[in-house]
Amino acid sequence: GQNIDQPTEMTATEGAIVQINCTYQTSGFNGLFWYQQHAGEAPTFLSYNVLDGLEEKGRFSSFLSRSKGYSYLLLKELQMKDSASYLCAVNRAAGGKLIFGQGTELSVKP
Amino acid sequence: DARVTQTPRDKVTEMGQEVTMRCQPILGHNTVFWYRQTMMQGLELLAYFRNRAPLDDSGMPKDRFSAEMPDATLATLKIQPSEPRDSAVYFCASGKAGANYGYTFGSGTRLTVV
Repeated sequence: GQNIDQPTEMTATEGAIVQINCTYQTSGFNGLFWYQQHAGEAPTFLSYNVLDGLEEKGRFSSFLSRSKGYSYLLLKELQMKDSASYLCAVNRAAGGKLIFGQGTELSVKP
Repeated sequence: DARVTQTPRDKVTEMGQEVTMRCQPILGHNTVFWYRQTMMQGLELLAYFRNRAPLDDSGMPKDRFSAEMPDATLATLKIQPSEPRDSAVYFCASGKAGANYGYTFGSGTRLTVV
């Protein structure tokens, strides 16, 4: 089976830092993705982690601990345009099933 | 930029009618996914293909849904007969197996069954 958990919603202030957590229990693991989805649009790829540790990409960073079944997405210097849903997705096998969590709705306030 | 193309963008149909949704994956991508998104269930994987062969369609109600890839440039998802509970946004995504840059999603087909 599979279980991917994220907080349903979060609120943060423009210019601040926010951390969105994701825990997972899946049969098979070959990497974890984070996607961003603005209302009414398609999900867009943000980051990929397959080994433990932190991957940094500009204002966004993603962390993975495979032994704990845990990941987080860190967004720095928040901007209003970062208001969106952030989806954690687990790849269960190389090039295989990509299973998504329910998403975390982030609201950035002035 | 290369993109995944889905048609139609919006579809309103009556219960019982057949619905066909189409997807043109990015050239060179060998893996294609079909997802359905609703507020209640989020993004659900319906089926996926690699090198045009169906690998898993366990997320799809088989009595009414079917997914095919007649060639490398076209994937289709059919619902026959459609029901109101099928109303959702259907996304197609494509990528290369083993790549670390994620899968690219199409703009989706918003289906409303009345």
